[in-house]
Parts: sequence; C-alpha cells; structure tokens
Amino acid sequence: GDSVTQMEGPVTLSEEAFLTINCTYTATGYPSLFWYVQYPGEGLQLLLKATKADDKGSNKGFEATYRKETTSFHLEKGSVQVSDSAVYFCALSAGGTSYGKLTFGQGTILTVHP
Amino acid sequence: DAGVIQSPRHEVTEMGQEVTLRCKPISGHNSLFWYRQTMMRGLELLIYFNNNVPIDDSGMPEDRFSAKMPNASFSTLKIQPSEPRDSAVYFCASSLREGYYEQYFGPGTRLTVT
Repeated sequence: GDSVTQMEGPVTLSEEAFLTINCTYTATGYPSLFWYVQYPGEGLQLLLKATKADDKGSNKGFEATYRKETTSFHLEKGSVQVSDSAVYFCALSAGGTSYGKLTFGQGTILTVHP
Repeated sequence: DAGVIQSPRHEVTEMGQEVTLRCKPISGHNSLFWYRQTMMRGLELLIYFNNNVPIDDSGMPEDRFSAKMPNASFSTLKIQPSEPRDSAVYFCASSLREGYYEQYFGPGTRLTVT
C-alpha cells in the first residue's frame, strides 16, 4: 500500500538557520505530494504541493521538489523564524483504490529558538 | 467563509459513555473526512464521505464507532461505548470534491475518556 516516511524529530533550530525535513514515499503510479503544517492547537493546513515529477512547490519561503527517481519530497527553508515552530506532515494522494484519500507521514515537530 | 467547524472543542467523559462529535464542512464542499490523531499512531483516516455517501470506512477501528452525514452541511462521529484508548484529537476536514487534494481541516475535538 501507499506510505510516507518522514525524518524523525523533534528538530530544534536557531532563528535564521537552514531547515531540511526529509520525506520519502511508496506509491503505485504517479501520486501528488504535499506538505501540511499544524500550528499548536489548530488543524492541519496545506503548505505546498507538487503534482508531477520535477515540480517544485513553494509557499512562505518553504520549498520542496518532487523527485521521482529517489521517491522523495524534502521540505526546505533557507532561514527559519520562531513563527515556523509547528508540526510538519508530508502526504501523498494516489489513484486507484486510494482515490480521494491522503496518506500522511508521522509528522516532524520543529522548534525554532530566538 | 468560517472554515470547518467542529464541536465540542474539548470533551471529557467516563468509560462506557456515548460520545458524539460534530462537524460542519465548508459550504459547497462535497467531500468530508474524519481523522484521529494520537502520539502513538499519528494521523489516521477513519472514514470519508462524498456527496453525503460514505465511500471508505476501512479506517473505523471497531463497531463502537459510527459516522453519519445526513446532509451536506453536517456530520457526526459517534463512539458508543467509549473506552480510554479512544482518547485522541479528532479532526474533521472537507474538500471541494472527491479527488481534490486540498483538504481544509477543522480545529479538532480533544477527547479524553477516563
């Protein structure tokens, strides 16, 4: 079945540091890939997406590139802020019997200190 | 739009009691999802509806769990009888249509069963 694996957290950084959160996936066919973010006490919200190989999704300074050859979708940001502290989820949406469903990774907790 | 609305935000109940969680999706959205989030198991899809019809309930853990969507603007998730292991945050999410990947999450209901 479809699955998403994220790097284990928590990740703790100082403000303005570079961020990478690794994400790899297993899926049949050509899934769409997403990063969702969950701020404390809130539900998840879509951060960025990529729907085909080599696409780069970007939003709020975050970027991720859909790499089919390595089945990866790593999240990066050049300079994190305290306000980026949250839980980040990598997810995929595949076709077939999984149509209409998102498969989420386990989430990575990011804490940014001033 | 007010976004996805869930009630109650917090629920504390005793083992054996019936619990009903409520969700109002975004107006005009045709797909609705119920998720459960725990530290141990992460984010799990319980059931999803399309045009008020349950499409996939394979994630519903046991017969104690049931979900209904009597109309396009309201859904319930019921647990009867509740058990301590049901303690979790339950999220409702909606999307524009089946297969549309962006899901909009509500703030969640934190359920504690003692």
